[in-house]
Amino acid sequence: GAGVSQSPSNKVTEKGKDVELRCDPISGHTALYWYRQSLGQGLEFLIYFQGNSAPDKSGLPSDRFSAERTGGSVSTLTIQRTQQEDSAVYLCASSLSLRQDYGYTFGSGTRLTVV
Amino acid sequence: AQSVTQLDSQVPVFEEAPVELRCNYSSSVSVYLFWYVQYPNQGLQLLLKYLSGSTLVESINGFEAEFNKSQTSFHLRKPSVHISDTAEYFCAVLGGSQGNLIFGKGTKLSVKP
Repeated sequence: GAGVSQSPSNKVTEKGKDVELRCDPISGHTALYWYRQSLGQGLEFLIYFQGNSAPDKSGLPSDRFSAERTGGSVSTLTIQRTQQEDSAVYLCASSLSLRQDYGYTFGSGTRLTVV
Repeated sequence: AQSVTQLDSQVPVFEEAPVELRCNYSSSVSVYLFWYVQYPNQGLQLLLKYLSGSTLVESINGFEAEFNKSQTSFHLRKPSVHISDTAEYFCAVLGGSQGNLIFGKGTKLSVKP
């Protein structure tokens, strides 16, 4: 597609439920990044993929968070047993490669509210 | 690891006035610096970047930023702002443990008529 697409744009879920967030990067972009944007906290890096591989998952906040990418394209971020502190905007970005001179292209994000 | 400090969380300014949004980074051997802009209800967009060469970089909509190695700063400036510049601006540096961008906490620019 022309841009990075994220779905859903908004998600309200009950505490304890699982949620799945989807990111569809720009076609041909091999690098994909997930960030979390919380009020007053800026952007917190979660995980990145080069192709289908995520070399380091240490940025994920807890073991309730997991992410995968298939076919070098779509990525899903799954949060199990959601907690209120998980409420945030989850942003996905893609880049042509890990070379940072390309910069990132961001999606519009998924606003997650845990009630 | 690198870090980024944006000193002002909010900057109110009147239309056509000049503005400076401040950004400081922790030092490193090589520095790649970025400014991103987030308009209301939209994703982040790359505004400008410094990779090497000229220390003054410009965007297409009149913003400029100057890399100052001695002061470890990359402040964003515009000589005359418009209402449409109202947005949140994020400074970022390359240097996370996974080669990712590290972002500051953002500065909300509010341009008033």
